[in-house]
Amino acid sequence: DSGVTQTPKHLITATGQRVTLRCSPRSGDLSVYWYQQSLDQGLQFLIQYYNGEERAKGNILERFSAQQFPDLHSELNLSSLELGDSALYFCASSPFISNYGYTFGSGTRLTVV
Amino acid sequence: GNSVTQMEGPVTLSEEAFLTINCTYTATGYPSLFWYVQYPGEGLQLLLKATKADDKGSNKGFEATYRKETTSFHLEKGSVQVSDSAVYFCALRNGQNFVFGPGTRLSVLP
Repeated sequence: DSGVTQTPKHLITATGQRVTLRCSPRSGDLSVYWYQQSLDQGLQFLIQYYNGEERAKGNILERFSAQQFPDLHSELNLSSLELGDSALYFCASSPFISNYGYTFGSGTRLTVV
Repeated sequence: GNSVTQMEGPVTLSEEAFLTINCTYTATGYPSLFWYVQYPGEGLQLLLKATKADDKGSNKGFEATYRKETTSFHLEKGSVQVSDSAVYFCALRNGQNFVFGPGTRLSVLP
């Protein structure tokens, strides 16, 4: 157990629908990161939050949004889903210290049918 | 900017063979370097890290040395096992900027 908890583990939904993925960071970590991993594109950074505030944005579509709550858990909202959104979505957390790595959750596998 | 380049896979080896996965980076300043491993169906796990030049990270028989002169952080293991079959990601952290390489898939045959 890495200490980063992601739910649900699997999600199957239809095109056009909206889903919410949840992440609880490792205890004490203030930064949360979201990544998308698909077969043909490797790991794509989506967005970072630090202590409730957005800090960095990567290749995140406008149909996607995220937030980090006061208890530091984070949610990634995916709307108007398309077949191409099928992927593994990973959350990672880290302390705000430059020589620390990220701790990853086990991911949510999203399948859009 | 910051970037990480890894050798393309897949890499297929026989059990007990020697493994090298090449990783080179581009960065300003003094980044920290990492290797992550992703086993089938799982998330990424930190394998080892090095935070300054000439540091050697090691774990589970894997090693990598931070070479600033060649901007490299090659992953090595003297004798691979079937259980080492996974995807390996080289990564760097430069301040709040974290960059992953594309990953190298390793398959070890019995």
